[in-house]
Amino acid sequence: AQTVTQSQPEMSVQEAETVTLSCTYDTSESDYYLFWYKQPPSRQMILVIRQEAYKQQNATENRFSVNFQKAAKSFSLKISDSQLGDAAMYFCAYRRFMEYGNKLVFGAGTILRVKS
Amino acid sequence: DVKVTQSSRYLVKRTGEKVFLECVQDMDHENMFWYRQDPGLGLRLIYFSYDVKMKEKGDIPEGYSVSREKKERFSLILESASTNQTSMYLCASSSDRANEKLFFGSGTQLSVL
Repeated sequence: AQTVTQSQPEMSVQEAETVTLSCTYDTSESDYYLFWYKQPPSRQMILVIRQEAYKQQNATENRFSVNFQKAAKSFSLKISDSQLGDAAMYFCAYRRFMEYGNKLVFGAGTILRVKS
Repeated sequence: DVKVTQSSRYLVKRTGEKVFLECVQDMDHENMFWYRQDPGLGLRLIYFSYDVKMKEKGDIPEGYSVSREKKERFSLILESASTNQTSMYLCASSSDRANEKLFFGSGTQLSVL
């Protein structure tokens, strides 16, 4: 079974600084997708960034980027120039191809606090 | 933009009650999901559906059932609510495309007393 581990229950960052959230996963699949979702206090889950396992290049979305190490099964999220609005719970998620649907497995989450 | 609507934001029920959580999406998505979210455990998949009247068990289906009579609506049913089912319940939907993201509702915080 696939598992996703986020070893940091909580992280803090100063506004304008950079922070990295860790994620590791376990799978025997060779083709899959990885995601980072953000859940602000409103509870609405928002997709931050996604990575396709067959792509060598790390995904980037504005201030958000990932460090994808396929051999190490590691998928960390880097947030640059942190803003107060980045404060949220962040979930790492793994999805593998299935005959139907796109079932995601989530990690336990990391609470990110941003200090002004 | 896709909208996934959960009928209640907060719900309080008593043990033994039958509870219905409703979810509606407006983008004609094939796939719909029910997750529960608990501190330290993240999101765990209860059930999902990839077509009308089709359902598949997720990782923690015990004590739950689902219904999908129409494509846009996916209901989660707690046959006899118990205190250990107190949790945040999140509904999500997605299309069938391989790289499609999930769209989530705002969640229902259920308390079973």
